[in-house]
Amino acid sequence: EVQLLESGGGLVQPGGSLRLSCAASGFTFGGYAMTWVRQAPGRGLEWVSSITRGGDTSYGDSVKGRFTISRDNSKYMLYLQINNLRAEDTAVYYCARDPNGDFYFDNWGQGTLVTVSA
Amino acid sequence: DIVMTQSPDSLSVSLGERVTINCKSSQSVFYSSNNKNYLAWYQQKSGQPPTLLIYWASTRESGVPDRFSGSGSETDFTLTISSLQAEDVAVYYCQQHYTSPVSFGPGTRVEIK
Repeated sequence: EVQLLESGGGLVQPGGSLRLSCAASGFTFGGYAMTWVRQAPGRGLEWVSSITRGGDTSYGDSVKGRFTISRDNSKYMLYLQINNLRAEDTAVYYCARDPNGDFYFDNWGQGTLVTVSA
Repeated sequence: DIVMTQSPDSLSVSLGERVTINCKSSQSVFYSSNNKNYLAWYQQKSGQPPTLLIYWASTRESGVPDRFSGSGSETDFTLTISSLQAEDVAVYYCQQHYTSPVSFGPGTRVEIK
């Protein structure tokens, strides 16, 4: 069974940093592209960042230059380093698996909440 | 960037009735070289992460009940629930994955009348 478990969220002040993690199990992690999608409270879904099997990365315009996605295939881990946080980054952050590298997502974690507030 | 819109914003339907949700993209998401529409549908129940229902506009994900179907091409797409069940109460999102940045529609909330 595919499982994705996010962690690392919390309350942080504007301008602060966090590192989100996503622990994967139940599939060969290195064989899949992975993605972060976020959802602000009561709002819709927003694509944040993706990383291919080979490590190529892409970012949404609102996070480019502040967020960094990375992966450790040996540990079955996906990461999102988020810096210079803003109030508008407040959201539940989901990690998701991309089954074919085509940027749709067949398995999602339960999410981790990031709250940016003074 | 491709902008996705959905209609209606919400709908209230009786159990067993048909549900139709529309999704429109600001430009075509059809890739002629492989004859595929890069459009997916997700269901999100309250307090839960999204789940994939449909990809390539009309391919049902494994395990998804066959009352869910997707149709459409290029810029106009439809998600249909043929006979609404109580467990289908959720918000439904379309998503284009034709080009980066991928983008989601604003969602359609489905409730029981």
